[in-house]
Amino acid sequence: KAGVTQTPRYLIKTRGQQVTLSCSPISGHRSVSWYQQTPGQGLQFLFEYFSETQRNKGNFPGRFSGRQFSNSRSEMNVSTLELGDSALYLCASSLFGPRDTGELFFGEGSRLTVL
Amino acid sequence: QQQVKQSPQSLIVQKGGISIINCAYENTAFDYFPWYQQFPGKGPALLIAIRPDVSEKKEGRFTISFNKSAKQFSLHIMDSQPGDSATYFCAASKDSGYALNFGKGTSLLVTP
Repeated sequence: KAGVTQTPRYLIKTRGQQVTLSCSPISGHRSVSWYQQTPGQGLQFLFEYFSETQRNKGNFPGRFSGRQFSNSRSEMNVSTLELGDSALYLCASSLFGPRDTGELFFGEGSRLTVL
Repeated sequence: QQQVKQSPQSLIVQKGGISIINCAYENTAFDYFPWYQQFPGKGPALLIAIRPDVSEKKEGRFTISFNKSAKQFSLHIMDSQPGDSATYFCAASKDSGYALNFGKGTSLLVTP
């Protein structure tokens, strides 16, 4: 069974630009969550989607947005990039349903560098 | 603010020794406490998790101890091996949800 796939794996942008990151969950998983990982702040929850609806949102500015498609694939977008947005962005998928154990299955992340 | 506080930041243990990582939380609404392990270049992977209705859970060499009254939980790695060298994150969530509040991580090095 293929794991969570994130694209692109690495990207470099400049301040003020915007970026879109993509996530394909494990087949059959219906919930997708996004996390930002930085050396200083660690892992921070961005948002979670299920059935194309945002169920939860972390404490990030409105420049951070996301969406989920009918096939459970998800994208997140960061507009007007700032230097502090440089981070590893991790996507995680979960079953969501009667057999769900609560486990998050993480991808390897998209490493964003903002210059 | 950090809702889950984790210590120590780094830990060096000899092979065969016991590794202990501690976490504390404030929000009594938290009802799910997982530990994730992350190797360099990889995403975190669930190691073991506990819910507040039990005080201890053991899976192989890994044990979570949970103290609800103290709002603390810890991970014990018995017979630590060099392959256990990784970063460990504790986390907590409410309503058993996917919005995990992570600790800042502990970098564990197990020396041969």
